[in-house]
Amino acid sequence: DAGVTQSPTHLIKTRGQHVTLRCSPISGHKSVSWYQQVLGQGPQFIFQYYEKEERGRGNFPDRFSARQFPNYSSELNVNALLLGDSALYLCASSSTGGSYNEQFFGPGTRLTVL
Amino acid sequence: QKEVEQNSGPLSVPEGAIASLNCTYSDRGSQSFFWYRQYSGKSPELIMSIYSNGDKEDGRFTAQLNKASQYVSLLIRDSQPSDSATYLCAVNPSFYNQGGKLIFGQGTELSVKP
Repeated sequence: DAGVTQSPTHLIKTRGQHVTLRCSPISGHKSVSWYQQVLGQGPQFIFQYYEKEERGRGNFPDRFSARQFPNYSSELNVNALLLGDSALYLCASSSTGGSYNEQFFGPGTRLTVL
Repeated sequence: QKEVEQNSGPLSVPEGAIASLNCTYSDRGSQSFFWYRQYSGKSPELIMSIYSNGDKEDGRFTAQLNKASQYVSLLIRDSQPSDSATYLCAVNPSFYNQGGKLIFGQGTELSVKP
């Protein structure tokens, strides 16, 4: 069975541009969470979606938005990119997204903002 | 006080020894706890989940949870050079409607020397 997939793998953008990152969860999983990981730190929670509805939002500016589609795949959008947005963006898949659900990460998208 | 704290390391152990990784958390009501392994340049990989006080064993890995002390640990027996990685402790906070949000520590770098 395929695991969590993310695209693209790498991305280089310039300040002020917009970016869209994509994620497909494990087959049968209905929840997707997004995390940002900067070098030397643990991942930071951005959003969680379950059954196309936002279940949680982390402490990120409104430039960050996301959505989940009927097939449970998800997009993370970041507008007006800043240098500080350079990071590894991780998508995590879980069956129902509840507190006791294990989350499985995709390979990540490495975003570089110049 | 950080919500989830880990010693950043590096923790260096000889091959065949027991590696002990520690994590403390601040939210006394937290109910679910996870250990992830992250190789350099890769995404986190789930090793163990633990929800009840006591020990949980899986192969060479043992997770230990003490909710009264707000402490969770990971023991790796018979450490191998292939265990060299950063180990991330993750906690699901207890506040209402947090769903599957995970709060991560900064990670402990483990180095196993042949």
